[in-house]
This record gives sequence, C-alpha cells and structure tokens, in this order.
Amino acid sequence: GAVVSQHPSRVICKSGTSVKIECRSLDFQATTMFWYRQFPKQSLMLMATSNEGSKATYEQGVEKDKFLINHASLTLSTLTVTSAHPEDSSFYICSVGGGGTNEQFFGPGTRLTVL
Amino acid sequence: AQSVTQLGSHVSVSEGALVLLRCNYSSSVPPYLFWYVQYPNQGLQLLLKYTSAATLVKGINGFEAEFKKSETSFHLTKPSAHMSDAAEYFCAVKESASKLTFGTGTRLQVTL
Repeated sequence: GAVVSQHPSRVICKSGTSVKIECRSLDFQATTMFWYRQFPKQSLMLMATSNEGSKATYEQGVEKDKFLINHASLTLSTLTVTSAHPEDSSFYICSVGGGGTNEQFFGPGTRLTVL
Repeated sequence: AQSVTQLGSHVSVSEGALVLLRCNYSSSVPPYLFWYVQYPNQGLQLLLKYTSAATLVKGINGFEAEFKKSETSFHLTKPSAHMSDAAEYFCAVKESASKLTFGTGTRLQVTL
C-alpha cells in the first residue's frame, strides 16, 4: 500500500498561534487526501477531503477558515490550524485514497497540544 | 447515510484465548467494510477489508472477519490472542466515493 508520512509528529504551541501540519504521500500520487481529528479515547472524525488543485471539501461543523487545507501537489497536503486554542489540542491524522483499492492509507498522526 | 456500531468499547482476553470484536453496519447498498488497528500514538493500519468478494476475509496477524448480510455484521476474530494484539480496533464502512465512516473503536486488552 501507499506510504504516508506526517510532519511534525508532535507540536506544542501557544494559544493564538498558527500551526502547519504536512501530509506526504511518498510513493503514490494522491489526487485526494483526507484529514481526520481524533480526541483522546475517541474515534476518528473526518474533517475535510483535500483535493489536488482545488478547494477542500469540509465536513459539517468544521470551520474552513480555521482549518486551512492546501493540496498543491499530488504528494503533499497541508493542514494549518489558525489561531489555535486549547480546545484544538488533538491527534490529527491524514490519509490517502488508494485509487481503485477502496481503502485508505493512513499517516502516523500529529499530536497537537495548545497551551 | 451509512454507519457502523462497535459493541463493547473495551474487551479483555487472556493470552491464547479467542478474540471476538463485534461490528454491525447500516447501509442501503452493498458496503465496503474495513477493520483497522491503532497502536498508541500511531496512525491506523489496515487489518483486512471486505469488498463484495469472499464473505470470509483473512487479514494480517492471524485476524479474520466474516461478512454476514443477514445479520449486517462484520465481526473480527482471531483464534489465539497474543500480547502484541493489545491495541485499539476500528471498524469502518465506506460511503460513496472514498469517504470512510468509523465506529467508536474497541480497546483490546490481553492479559497473561
């Protein structure tokens, strides 16, 4: 399957600052990437679908101006958490659609802590 | 909309015992179903998937799952648990296009 990396793996920031998380598909050209958020001891919640070369599609209740997604190439999507607050602290995971395989391949996740 | 229900947020078994993690789905069309495993502070790894071929699906690490349409179930099993199986397990159903909907997860604990 596709190999997906995320950077950074862990980030701590002050409230009010912005944080950028990168998701890279290392061996697969991904026209679609997905961003999930996972709170402690909870399931993954889809935040948005990132489409290469076009605007991301956000799930209901997710603020597009707060969670900026850029998918400028077939191997890179970025999620920027703007003006982060403590309630944004979470585990953010990206995934890559596997083309015709119907499955998704997940990155290792990024743990964001906002102080 | 499709949905997934995982019964039991926490399952504890002895090493060597049978593992059974339950998953029921709701779908108006033939679904694609998946089981993923997540170790602490890591992403998800695919264990196995059902894509309308054989109803008994074998995955990695000795896990398997059986698709039962009449029961709308896709339970995950392993004949003999190992300590390394301790993790969080998620059942997921694929909606239109490639969007996945996850269950709430089951934490598997394996004791000596």
